[in-house]
Amino acid sequence: DIVVTQSPLSLSVTPGEPASISCRSSQSLLHRNGYHYLDWYLQKPGQSPQLLIYLTSNRASGVPDRFSGSGSGTYFTLEISRVEAEDAGVYYCMQSLQSRAFGQGTRVEIK
Amino acid sequence: QVQLQESAPGLVKPSETLSLTCTVSTFSIYNYYWSWVRRPPGKGLEWIGYTHYTGTTNYNPSLQSRLSMSVDTSRNQFSLQLRSVTAADTAVYYCARLARVGLAGFTAYHSMDVWGQGTTITVSS
Repeated sequence: DIVVTQSPLSLSVTPGEPASISCRSSQSLLHRNGYHYLDWYLQKPGQSPQLLIYLTSNRASGVPDRFSGSGSGTYFTLEISRVEAEDAGVYYCMQSLQSRAFGQGTRVEIK
Repeated sequence: QVQLQESAPGLVKPSETLSLTCTVSTFSIYNYYWSWVRRPPGKGLEWIGYTHYTGTTNYNPSLQSRLSMSVDTSRNQFSLQLRSVTAADTAVYYCARLARVGLAGFTAYHSMDVWGQGTTITVSS
């Protein structure tokens, strides 16, 4: 089974500042089609999760362009260029190469 | 307008079977895969599995021996059954649509793009 590990587990960010979350997988997430099978989700307080990024770097419909994803092999990153108050919540990476599995989550607090 | 709505008993006794249903509105149940995710109290999200009206399923290996999922096209619903529950199965359960969101080369790629509001399930005697 592929295990996904996030860091840090919590983050406190000043509005307007950048933020970065890392995600490591126990095996490469490279599919034979050349794409890396990794998504990012955000669960805001009191809400259901929402899709942010799919296939490592593609923003889902309606997601602001301050969110970006990158990475390859076993190492992936979600970056927020300028954090806003509405970005608070728990961020999860999820591998979809073999079945699916979430990381532990990273709680982002806005100062 | 609610598009995915979970329904469930709320309280289930240990060793019994948990049954959840998600009613789909607005979308055609034939056009997507349908998935379940849960969040135990104080913990992160856990992917449970997905199903399709054709009978295709994919389950979390850690739950596979206790799990069944199916789609009822006549009612526009999909369901989950988890057998022999324990307190560790206490969680908020979410249903979600697994939709094609893009292409990976020539391969359709699916992500969970629409979610239900979640329903709390407590396992206790």
